[in-house]
Amino acid sequence: GAVVSQHPSWVICKSGTSVKIECRSLDFQATTMFWYRQFPKQSLMLMATSNEGSKATYEQGVEKDKFLINHASLTLSTLTVTSAHPEDSSFYICSARDPLERTQETQYFGPGTRLLVL
Amino acid sequence: GEDVEQSLFLSVREGDSSVINCTYTDSSSTYLYWYKQEPGAGLQLLTYIFSNMDMKQDQRLTVLLNKKDKHLSLRIADTQTGDSAIYFCAESRAGNQFYFGTGTSLTVIP
Repeated sequence: GAVVSQHPSWVICKSGTSVKIECRSLDFQATTMFWYRQFPKQSLMLMATSNEGSKATYEQGVEKDKFLINHASLTLSTLTVTSAHPEDSSFYICSARDPLERTQETQYFGPGTRLLVL
Repeated sequence: GEDVEQSLFLSVREGDSSVINCTYTDSSSTYLYWYKQEPGAGLQLLTYIFSNMDMKQDQRLTVLLNKKDKHLSLRIADTQTGDSAIYFCAESRAGNQFYFGTGTSLTVIP
């Protein structure tokens, strides 16, 4: 299957700082990437859909000014958590679809980024 | 409602079969998926089924789909300790967005 990477895998930051998380599709071009958030022992919650060359679509309740998404190329989407606070500590996972795959809806997931805000 | 539901925990003995169940809500879902998540890791796609199928087998994995009841199950034959993980079902809804179940934590007892 397709490979999606994330960087960094772990980040610890001070409250009030901004953190950027990268999501890359390694062997395919992804016009659409998704960002999820997962709290301990809970399911994944879709935060936003990232579309290459256009604005991201945010789910209800997700602050777009706090979680900035940029999808500047067909292989890279970034999520920036601005002015991070301890309640933003979570596991952030991205996924991407390979438009050339027969099951075009299948999403391939990155390994996740664990964010801890002190 | 919009919930995709799963039972939270399942324990089986090594060598037995595991059956993980899921109920979903959107009858227009095109594909339904099973993902595996090991501790601290991302999600690994295990298998998927197209909505006009009622069964799919892939080595030790068997997926059953009852579209009338909106019920999906994953059977793992000859369960091994390496199968211990959290299993998520997911449905692909309009706009190709995924909605995940609550996850079932499978524990395999040696």
